[in-house]
Amino acid sequence: RKEVEQDPGPFNVPEGATVAFNCTYSNSASQSFFWYRQDCRKEPKLLMSVYSSGNEDGRFTAQLNRASQYISLLIRDSKLSDSATYLCVVLTGTYKYIFGTGTRLKVLA
Amino acid sequence: GAVVSQHPSRVICKSGTSVKIECRSLDFQATTMFWYRQFPKQSLMLMATSNEGSKATYEQGVEKDKFLINHASLTLSTLTVTSAHPEDSSFYICSASGGTYEQYFGPGTRLTVT
Repeated sequence: RKEVEQDPGPFNVPEGATVAFNCTYSNSASQSFFWYRQDCRKEPKLLMSVYSSGNEDGRFTAQLNRASQYISLLIRDSKLSDSATYLCVVLTGTYKYIFGTGTRLKVLA
Repeated sequence: GAVVSQHPSRVICKSGTSVKIECRSLDFQATTMFWYRQFPKQSLMLMATSNEGSKATYEQGVEKDKFLINHASLTLSTLTVTSAHPEDSSFYICSASGGTYEQYFGPGTRLTVT
């Protein structure tokens, strides 16, 4: 089993739709969780950290479920510019970051 | 804030030569820097972690003599790919962390070895 697993997609959604991604992790001792966005042939950019209480930033909401060992990302009112690959990143141990393979999102006009 | 630069952005070199890639944190002090490699349609693979002033910690399967990492200051780390071969062609990305657990990535270096 991979340490961090994501559905690779692609998720094809119309503009304005709400879309959610999940990411599961295997190490229950994982401490911190992040969502990054990566555009084609570019570096990942931090979208948001994921806190135990859940957090929201505009149209984006992240949740953490420690009991079931998954994190989620919800995007409301999808824009064309949201099309990208969304990477789930889990910090386990001292500076040991594990990346998921990413979920591709395509927002269609 | 939290800007990381990487140079060069793109390099083409001949097989057998060495290539140096620089990673700089521009507006914060990076206590820890990371080097990743990403092949097309694959996830980032961590190559090594380096703390300023100490030797890098390499991931399993990464040759330390082939991928030389120097983290001489709190704002600069370099990765040198020695005796490059075509299979070393990849997208190399550095990231930096300044004491929080968030990483900030450089724009990457696309290496092509001919």
